[in-house]
Amino acid sequence: GAVVSQHPSWVICKSGTSVKIECRSLDFQATTMFWYRQFPKQSLMLMATSNEGSKATYEQGVEKDKFLINHASLTLSTLTVTSAHPEDSSFYICSARHPLGGRLYEQYFGPGTRLTVT
Amino acid sequence: AQKITQTQPGMFVQEKEAVTLDCTYDTSDQSYGLFWYKQPSSGEMIFLIYQGSYDEQNATEGRYSLNFQKARKSANLVISASQLGDSAMYFCAMREGRGGSEKLVFGKGMKLTVNP
Repeated sequence: GAVVSQHPSWVICKSGTSVKIECRSLDFQATTMFWYRQFPKQSLMLMATSNEGSKATYEQGVEKDKFLINHASLTLSTLTVTSAHPEDSSFYICSARHPLGGRLYEQYFGPGTRLTVT
Repeated sequence: AQKITQTQPGMFVQEKEAVTLDCTYDTSDQSYGLFWYKQPSSGEMIFLIYQGSYDEQNATEGRYSLNFQKARKSANLVISASQLGDSAMYFCAMREGRGGSEKLVFGKGMKLTVNP
């Protein structure tokens, strides 16, 4: 099946610094990627939809200036957590929509990035 | 209002037995899709099975089958012959919207533990 990677798989940063997470579709071109956030023992919450070459669409309540999303190419989307605080510590998961997927609008998920802000 | 409801926070099942994980959904769309994902402790989301709203047959994928009851808006996952490796979190999700604006909405998940 289609492969989506994320880098790094885990990161620890100090409060006030910025962290960039990369999401890559390795064997297909993804015009649309999605970023999710998952707190411990909770569900995945969609943060934003990232479309190649255009601005991301953020879900209600997600600060676009804090969570910067850049979908610069058909295989790469990045999420930058700016001025991170301990409450930003979470598991961030990206997914990519396969344009030719057999199941309508199927999303392929990356392995996730665990962010810890100290 | 919750769009995906998974009422069972956790379940235990004996190895080799079948187990049903409940999921109900709420939508006014005619076209939608229902997914089940498995999330082991490693965190990756593993696709298990998909059911389209217009599919007349219940979906099956190996040991997984989806009991789709459209009128009741339920999409229960049935795992036959449970294995120890099936122990994980399971999420039901619904795809709503259409190309360019579609999104996946997830339920709260439920934890399945398979006992030897």
